[in-house]
Amino acid sequence: AQRVTQPEKLLSVFKGAPVELKCNYSYSGSPELFWYVQYSRQRLQLLLRHISRESIKGFTADLNKGETSFHLKKPFAQEEDSAMYYCAPRGSGGGADGLTFGKGTHLIIQP
Amino acid sequence: DSGVTQTPKHLITATGQRVTLRCSPRSGDLSVYWYQQSLDQGLQFLIQYYNGEERAKGNILERFSAQQFPDLHSELNLSSLELGDSALYFCASSPDSRLEQFFGPGTRLTVL
Repeated sequence: AQRVTQPEKLLSVFKGAPVELKCNYSYSGSPELFWYVQYSRQRLQLLLRHISRESIKGFTADLNKGETSFHLKKPFAQEEDSAMYYCAPRGSGGGADGLTFGKGTHLIIQP
Repeated sequence: DSGVTQTPKHLITATGQRVTLRCSPRSGDLSVYWYQQSLDQGLQFLIQYYNGEERAKGNILERFSAQQFPDLHSELNLSSLELGDSALYFCASSPDSRLEQFFGPGTRLTVL
């Protein structure tokens, strides 16, 4: 069964400290992987996708197929990074194009 | 606002009732997705429509159904409501099913 795990419900770090939000997935085939973010009182929005290999707002995520992980990292956290973060794999075609979301990690950046 | 819109914002109803949630996708987007977010299950994919046709099904109950109309707006119908159906229901749209999904603000459904 397709599954995505974000082990931390809540992660609190100080401003300027490194951040790593963990995501592990169990998926058949070669899924696409995404990170979505939801800032307070805003709608869910795409942060980054592994295909594009971009760095958005200082965040990067490397797909590790061996460990089936897609952890989100940022070297120096900023207060505006406080938000809910969701890891979301999507099937590699032929099946549902809907995203499978993890339960999310609430990131709090303390001043 | 040219983004995804959803109505109503809030809906309170009783068990056994039926409700309809509405979603208008971004202009030009052909694909519409419905998701349910509850405290215990997290954010779950329900169903996808592409240009009026059902494209994919996720964890959607038989009591729930959806459709996409010729003008591309979509409705999610929830019937025989139970307490456990209380949740946030999100709609998302994308130009093509393989591209980024843009989310609406959600409809909060409370079943009493």
